Amino acid sequence: TQLLEQSPQFLSIQEGENLTVYCNSSSVFSSLQWYRQEPGEGPVLLVTVVTGGEVKKLKRLTFQFGDARKDSSLHITAAQPGDTGLYLCASGTYKYIFGTGTRLKVLA
Amino acid sequence: EAQVTQNPRYLITVTGKKLTVTCSQNMNHEYMSWYRQDPGLGLRQIYYSMNVEVTDKGDVPEGYKVSRKEKRNFPLILESPSPNQTSLYFCASSSTSGLAGSGSYNEQFFGPGTRLTVL
Repeated sequence: TQLLEQSPQFLSIQEGENLTVYCNSSSVFSSLQWYRQEPGEGPVLLVTVVTGGEVKKLKRLTFQFGDARKDSSLHITAAQPGDTGLYLCASGTYKYIFGTGTRLKVLA
Repeated sequence: EAQVTQNPRYLITVTGKKLTVTCSQNMNHEYMSWYRQDPGLGLRQIYYSMNVEVTDKGDVPEGYKVSRKEKRNFPLILESPSPNQTSLYFCASSSTSGLAGSGSYNEQFFGPGTRLTVL
């Protein structure tokens, strides 16, 4: 069974700082999705990466997919309080595996 | 407005009392899925459905049933709930016709969640 390990589990930073969170697997991903979940809500898709080495940008968020498609990272530049939430990686097409998440808190 | 709705949002029940959590989507999606979210364990898939009358087990199907008689609805049934089923439940739906690499490939849209407590 494929497992997705996310690190760090918790991250508390000041507004304006940069941060990177990681998603790793012992198996090759078919594709990899990143979601953000805010308290009291369901996860919302941020991006899907499908090609090894792929880099996608979403405003201040940069997503990288490892060349071997076994790892991915999410980098946030100049974090803002609105970035606070639970960041989840997920893999699958119909049967999905989710990572345990990185809980980010950005302090004003 | 395109959305996934779940009812109820909160439910407190007792061991052994059958319950159903409803899920409905208005986006004409083929795919629907149920997850539970527990602290430290993340989201785990319970069941999924690729279309009407087609369902399959996720990672944690024990103690749950589902049915997909209509495209828009995907109810989750707990025949005899137990305290270890206390959790936050999410329903999700997606189209199965997305283009790979477009950013919208198999995007899952999640409902607002149902917080279930089994005493």
